[in-house]
Amino acid sequence: EAQLVESGGGLVQPGGSLRLSCAASGFTFSDYWMHWVRQVPGKGLVWVSRIKNDGSTADYADSVRGRFTISRDNAKNTLYLQMNSLRVEDTAVYYCARGGRAVTNQPSGDWGQGTLVTVSS
Amino acid sequence: QSALTQPASVSGSPGQSITISCTGSTSDVGGYNFVSWFQQHPGKAPKFIIYDVTARPSGVSSRFSGSKSGNTASLTISGLQADDEADYYCSSYTSGSTPVVFGGGTKLTVL
Repeated sequence: EAQLVESGGGLVQPGGSLRLSCAASGFTFSDYWMHWVRQVPGKGLVWVSRIKNDGSTADYADSVRGRFTISRDNAKNTLYLQMNSLRVEDTAVYYCARGGRAVTNQPSGDWGQGTLVTVSS
Repeated sequence: QSALTQPASVSGSPGQSITISCTGSTSDVGGYNFVSWFQQHPGKAPKFIIYDVTARPSGVSSRFSGSKSGNTASLTISGLQADDEADYYCSSYTSGSTPVVFGGGTKLTVL
């Protein structure tokens, strides 16, 4: 059974940085695109970023492009999200999710439990 | 990239059927058969219930079905049950500035 476990969330001041991790197990991590999706408590899902299975291609939402960097270590079965220049509006629960194999893939059936990032002074 | 448009809320009685719409454009919903639907209960991660407009992942009840007409996709839940009360989100692949867009979400209340 596939499992995704996020970590690294917490309280950070505006302008600060944080790195989220997502440890994957139960499936061949290196075969799949991976995504980050965030959700302000009480609000809707918002797609953040995705990375190709071999790490060669990454896409970002307009709101985070230039500030966030997605990466992966297939040897460690781990996905990362480096978040810099954090803003109050980045406060949310961040989920990692498995994608598919094609370039048209989206988040699919396997999601983590989420990690809360709070940006506040 | 603007979010896909969903109704804020829908409701139905046990045993009834309801339909949730998800409206986009020719750049997303109308242009590709890559619409997914998720169910989310409070405090839980989203659950994948429909992909590629009409397909159901293994283990998802046949009471959930998807369809699409033009730029609007729809999720129909038949034989409503109390446990169906949740938030529902659509998503689509898009050729816009970002490759994935979600809908704003619909709260389903089972009366």
